[in-house]
Amino acid sequence: AAGVIQSPRHLIKEKRETATLKCYPIPRHDTVYWYQQGPGQDPQFLISFYEKMQSDKGSIPDRFSAQQFSDYHSELNMSSLELGDSALYFCASSLRTAGPSFGPGTRLTVT
Amino acid sequence: QKEVEQDPGPLSVPEGAIVSLNCTYSNSAFQYFMWYRQYSRKGPELLMYTYSSGNKEDGRFTAQVDKSSKYISLFIRDSQPSDSATYLCAMSAGSGGSYIPTFGRGTSLIVHP
Repeated sequence: AAGVIQSPRHLIKEKRETATLKCYPIPRHDTVYWYQQGPGQDPQFLISFYEKMQSDKGSIPDRFSAQQFSDYHSELNMSSLELGDSALYFCASSLRTAGPSFGPGTRLTVT
Repeated sequence: QKEVEQDPGPLSVPEGAIVSLNCTYSNSAFQYFMWYRQYSRKGPELLMYTYSSGNKEDGRFTAQVDKSSKYISLFIRDSQPSDSATYLCAMSAGSGGSYIPTFGRGTSLIVHP
């Protein structure tokens, strides 16, 4: 069965640089979520989209933005990167009332 | 206090044991309950998804929800070394609140041969 696809899998950036993470949800899923997970932490919700419209916002810094495109893929844009942004970033997708299926994640390292 | 509480462990059991993993929560609006398994540096994998109270069984896994006590459990029968991972509970309110799952901190499980 098709899974959530994320790219890149690994990303190394320097402080103050920008990064763009991409997500391709499972076909026919109407909801996309972005989560951030630090070492030893539970996933923290950043933002979600329902039918390509932003639906909920969590603890997403103002330096981050996200959008979902007409082909349903989503991008998380991160600017003015800080050391503390180093984490695993997961995209997940689901039908509205179902449990989200997570992608493999993008490991972002900010140096 | 977090909305969802989960003992981080680690929980160490011998192969073949029955494992019990638990979460408590404070938000009475939660009605969708999930269990995820996460291997190190991998994405969480959805194991079980239940709605409201009751039991759900899938192979060696059984999920229980007791909404009156705000307590959920995941049982793993005949545990295997390959079950060694972090298990995260998650829950959401759905149409009565938010569809966004709120996660527990995860319990680290070690199954030794």
